[in-house]
This record gives sequence, C-alpha cells and structure tokens, in this order.
Amino acid sequence: SAVISQKPSRDICQRGTSLTIQCQVDSQVTMMFWYRQQPGQSLTLIATANQGSEATYESGFVIDKFPISRPNLTFSTLTVSNMSPEDSSIYLCSVLPVTSGTDTQYFGPGTRLTVL
Amino acid sequence: EDQVTQSPEALRLQEGESSSLNCSYTVSGLRGLFWYRQDPGKGPEFLFTLYSAGEEKEKERLKATLTKKESFLHITAPKPEDSATYLCAVQAYNFNKFYFGSGTKLNVKP
Repeated sequence: SAVISQKPSRDICQRGTSLTIQCQVDSQVTMMFWYRQQPGQSLTLIATANQGSEATYESGFVIDKFPISRPNLTFSTLTVSNMSPEDSSIYLCSVLPVTSGTDTQYFGPGTRLTVL
Repeated sequence: EDQVTQSPEALRLQEGESSSLNCSYTVSGLRGLFWYRQDPGKGPEFLFTLYSAGEEKEKERLKATLTKKESFLHITAPKPEDSATYLCAVQAYNFNKFYFGSGTKLNVKP
C-alpha cells in the first residue's frame, strides 16, 4: 500500500480565484490520478498525472481549468482555476504503487473545496 | 459502453442482519474489480481486488465474490461500525481506465 497526504484538507474560496491542491506519497508510484467527487456522487476521473510529461485529461476536463504538475514520482499538484460554485467538491488524489504487484489504487484523504 | 451499476443505493440493516451488496458491470475486457469503503468526509479505503470469475476474498465480516457479470460484497453479522458507503470499481484492459459505481450507502443500526 501507500501513505498519501493531501494539502489543504479543506478550503473555502471566492469565485474567480484559484486553488492548488498538493498530493504527497511516501513511496515512488507509477501513476497518480486526480478525481472529483461532488456531494452525494461517486468519483469522476479528472486526469492522470504522468511524471515527466503532460497530464492526460478525461472528457469534460481541460488543462486550462485544471492544470496538473507531476515533477517527480512522489508528488503532484492539481490547480482548480477561475473557480465557480459548481467546482465545490471533494478532490481526491490516488496512486498506483510501483511495487504493489496489482493494479490497486490507493486514495488520499481528499480536499473539501467550497466556492462561494 | 463500459459501465458499473451498484445496488441498492442505500441499505439499512439491524446489527447482526446479514446481507449482500451488488456490483454489476459491462466492460470490454475486465482487468480487475475493486471494492472500497468510504466514510463521510474521507477518501476511499481499499478493501479487495478480484481478477477472475470464481475468485473470493474475505476480511473480517466482509466477503467479496466475482462472476463474469457481477460482484457481490457479502456482509455477515454487521456491526454499526460497518456503516459507510461501499464503492465498486472496475478496470478495463485499457490500462488507465477505472470506472466507479455510484456506491451503496450502508447504515447498520444497533
């Protein structure tokens, strides 16, 4: 498994501003993912964060709105840009460990974002 | 179209009353099926991975099984601390794709 931390754990932001969420893992991982979970809903994949290359975005999500960085094998950031109340969600980072031997994803604790 | 459906949406049990949660899937080539537990305000916690039909995994009061079209999460003699949302996810052979169901919210009353 992997120990994953996210910062901040929660934030309340004003419309039109941006927030950067950090995801730190205690071991090297091949793949990192960013998900959004809106209230009462299941998880929606935003993008896959690739180390050393551009992130791969899912349909409906664009780099200008959700820029992602992945500078090394243990860290990634997701920025939510020009926020609106519709961006209020829990944002989750997940990882696929190098040594897991399986394809199991492990999740961070999440960042609860409220946009006013 | 690849899809994951969980039922029921919500389940209320008395403590000790066993039951099952269902996860049915349609995916072009199943690589793996995953069960997670999610408590309010927290990230999903990994429970089980199943890879092939007929496979079973157990952990305490939970047992997960897999067929070619669905998976069941059996809960035996549940306790109030088993109350949570249980999520099912499938991974297709398109390696990066994980599809999550909408979850079953379980409430176990003492």
